[in-house]
Amino acid sequence: GENVEQHPSTLSVQEGDSAVIKCTYSDSASNYFPWYKQELGKRPQLIIDIRSNVGEKKDQRIAVTLNKTAKHFSLHITETQPEDSAVYFCAAAREYLQFYFGTGTSLTVIP
Amino acid sequence: EAGVAQSPRYKIIEKRQSVAFWCNPISGHATLYWYQQILGQGPKLLIQFQNNGVVDDSQLPKDRFSAERLKGVDSTLKIQPAKLEDSAVYLCASSLVGAEGTQYFGPGTRLLVL
Repeated sequence: GENVEQHPSTLSVQEGDSAVIKCTYSDSASNYFPWYKQELGKRPQLIIDIRSNVGEKKDQRIAVTLNKTAKHFSLHITETQPEDSAVYFCAAAREYLQFYFGTGTSLTVIP
Repeated sequence: EAGVAQSPRYKIIEKRQSVAFWCNPISGHATLYWYQQILGQGPKLLIQFQNNGVVDDSQLPKDRFSAERLKGVDSTLKIQPAKLEDSAVYLCASSLVGAEGTQYFGPGTRLLVL
């Protein structure tokens, strides 16, 4: 089955700086890559996603890039704010089936 | 719009006992998922339904876990018998068909097996 690895496991940045979280996947058939944000004690929420026919997608301060050849994708958060502090999960799926999640990155934005 | 409902919110059982969790998805969402989230890990998909049919149960430990969605709406997930390593949060999520990326998660059921 698919194997999704996520790095780093923890990340601390100063408010206003950028944060980058990276994920790799093993199954070349995976073609859908969502990112979820989970605040402490709350449920995961989709923040951005990308399909394999697109190399980059941006939504305000959040962007995701995908390198199909290298089988890795990254989440970029610019101008970080304290409310960005949360655990972020990447995932990979094939045709919206068989969702495999990474192990999570705990992001702390220091005011 | 009401969200995904789950019950119970917390459950403590002894190992080898049985337990069942219930999920009511958002109205109109044909796709329903059950995830297991062990502390400090990402959610692990156990089973995915579309209406009342199973579309993916490749990661479901079928010797002890079972799930059903008989009428294509509510779903139950059962563990029988439970093991210590089943201690986790069990998350239910739902989505519209064709929009499976946008999954709406319920509050989860926190299970502790002693």
